[in-house]
Amino acid sequence: DTGVSQNPRHKITKRGQNVTFRCDPISEHNRLYWYRQTLGQGPEFLTYFQNEAQLEKSRLLSDRFSAERPKGSFSTLEIQRTEQGDSAMYLCASSLDLGQNSPLHFGNGTRLTVT
Amino acid sequence: GQSLEQPSEVTAVEGAIVQINCTYQTSGFYGLSWYQQHDGGAPTFLSYNALDGLEETGRFSSFLSRSDSYGYLLLQELQMKDSASYFCAPPSNTGKLIFGQGTTLQVKP
Repeated sequence: DTGVSQNPRHKITKRGQNVTFRCDPISEHNRLYWYRQTLGQGPEFLTYFQNEAQLEKSRLLSDRFSAERPKGSFSTLEIQRTEQGDSAMYLCASSLDLGQNSPLHFGNGTRLTVT
Repeated sequence: GQSLEQPSEVTAVEGAIVQINCTYQTSGFYGLSWYQQHDGGAPTFLSYNALDGLEETGRFSSFLSRSDSYGYLLLQELQMKDSASYFCAPPSNTGKLIFGQGTTLQVKP
C-alpha cells in the first residue's frame, strides 16, 4: 500500500482557466475527503464522500468547485474559472468507515498557483 | 458551530517537555484527534482520545477532559524533528475533521 496519491503535485494556471486534480485513496478506504490549505492556516474542509456518494459539502465551496468519485475509488476535484484566491494546497484524505475513531490519511497535496 | 483554541506558537529546547493545549466548542462531541504537519508535508495522525484521560504513544501523550472541553498534547524528550505544526481536531460522526490554525512548535538546540 503506497498511501494516498495526488496528482499533479504542482499546477500553475492562468486566471479563468479550469483545473482538475486527482486523488487515489488507500484502496480499502471508503471515505474520502478534500481539504484546502493556505499558508499559516489549518486545512479547511471542502467535501466528503462515502464510497461514490458525496454526502457533505462545505458552504464555503462555491459553485465553481465540483468533485466526483464515480466508482467509489479515485476522486477528482475540478475548479472552473479559477481566481487568484483559489491559490492554495489542495489535500485529499481517506479513511476506513469505523465511525469517529478512524484516522485520516492525507496525500501530499496538489499546490495550485493561479496567476 | 465549532471553535478551537490553541496557542499559535510554542518554542522549546531539545530534550525538554512541551504541552500544547486545546480548548474546543463543538456540537456532537465524539472525541479529540491530534495531527502533526511538517512544513511542506501532509498532516499525519498522532492520537485520538474518545474518553477522558491520558493516551500514551511513545514520546507523545494526549489528554482529554470532556467536562472541561479541554485537551492537550504532551511531547517528551523533544527532538529537532518534532519542529512542526500541531492541530487538535474533533471528528464529526462522519469522521470529518475541522482544523483550527494549529500550533507551530519550534525546537531549538
